[in-house]
Formats: sequence, structure tokens, C-alpha cells
Amino acid sequence: NAGVTQTPKFQVLKTGQSMTLQCAQDMNHEYMSWYRQDPGMGLRLIHYSVGAGITDQGEVPNGYNVSRSTTEDFPLRLLSAAPSQTSVYFCASSYLFRASYNEQFFGPGTRLTVL
Amino acid sequence: DAKTTQPPSMDCAEGRAANLPCNHSTISGNEYVYWYRQIHSQGPQYIIHGLKNNETNEMASLIITEDRKSSTLILPHATLRDTAVYYCIVSPIYNQGGKLIFGQGTELSVKP
Repeated sequence: NAGVTQTPKFQVLKTGQSMTLQCAQDMNHEYMSWYRQDPGMGLRLIHYSVGAGITDQGEVPNGYNVSRSTTEDFPLRLLSAAPSQTSVYFCASSYLFRASYNEQFFGPGTRLTVL
Repeated sequence: DAKTTQPPSMDCAEGRAANLPCNHSTISGNEYVYWYRQIHSQGPQYIIHGLKNNETNEMASLIITEDRKSSTLILPHATLRDTAVYYCIVSPIYNQGGKLIFGQGTELSVKP
């Protein structure tokens, strides 16, 4: 299993540009989510999904869109990039109903700089 | 979700046990204590979780006090590769897929 993969690893955007961060998992996990991590900070939840066709907002959803058309993929779209969105973005996935505990698997991250 | 308090940083000598404390005084009876770690520039990695009994796996041991208000993660023989930020998180049982609230964690430096 490849686990959780993210592309690209690095990206530089200009203010106002749009782009999509890709996330895929091959573990048949129902739950997928996006976090951002700013320097010296913990992770903050942006959006999450509990299955194909179902998404919801996390703590910091403004400026981001998501969709979940398949179990495997959960792309994150930046509509109009702003310097405040400079961050490291992590995608995570987990099972929903197979155990009582919450073991989430994280991707390697995408480092985004907005100029 | 209950909040946690951890020291911002700790040092440990290589080969020694690293004991990382966490306070979670407002934890409720239906919440697990989780530990994740984040090695520099990588995504967080699950280490262990527990409810009220002590737990051990191939990575670490988790000691939870009887009143459940605090816990300690123990890395029995720390190596340089254990240098990372360690996050203590509490989250409801049967909350698979639920939001994990990451605080600032403890930055553990293992020194030769």
C-alpha cells in the first residue's frame, strides 16, 4: 500500500492564482481530511469528508473548497490564493467504523508559498 | 473535546527513557488519550492510545493516572530518530474519523 499520497510536494503561487492540492489513499478509508500547519503551530482542520459525496467544514475553511467524488481522492482547491495561505498542508485518512479508536494516517505534506 | 497541556520542549540522552507528560484534567469518561508524533517536515504519526489502563506497543508505553487527569508517554530507549514533536490529544471513543485537535505539543530533542 502507498498509504496517503499528496501532490505536489512544493508549490509557489502568486496572489490571486488558483490551484488544487491532490490527496489520494489506497486503504479504502471512509474518512479523509485536510489540515494546515503554520510555522511553530499545531495542525488546524480545514475540511473533512466521511464518504464520497459528503464534505463538511473544519476550523479554518475560508478560501478553500473540497469535493469527494470517489473514496480514494479528496482534492483541496484554493480559489484565489492569498499570502495568509502560505502553509504546509497535510491530508489524513482513517476508517470510520472498524474500531473504537481514531488512528489517522497522514500524507507527507504539500509546502505552499503564496507571494 | 478536552484540552491538553504539555511542556513545550524536553531533552533526553540517547539510550535513556524519555518520559513525556501531559495534563488533561477536564477529560471525560468517554474520551481516549492519544499520542501522535511529527518528525521534522513529515506528517504526524499515530503512536498509541489508552482509556484508563496502561498500554504498551512496539513504539512506546502509555501510563494514565488513576484519576485520568494526566498521562505519560514513555519511549524506553530513545534514539536520535525519536527527535520529534509529540502531541497528546483527547478525543471521544467511537469517534473514528472525528476531528483531532492538535495543540503545540512537546518538542523532544534526543541528544548523543
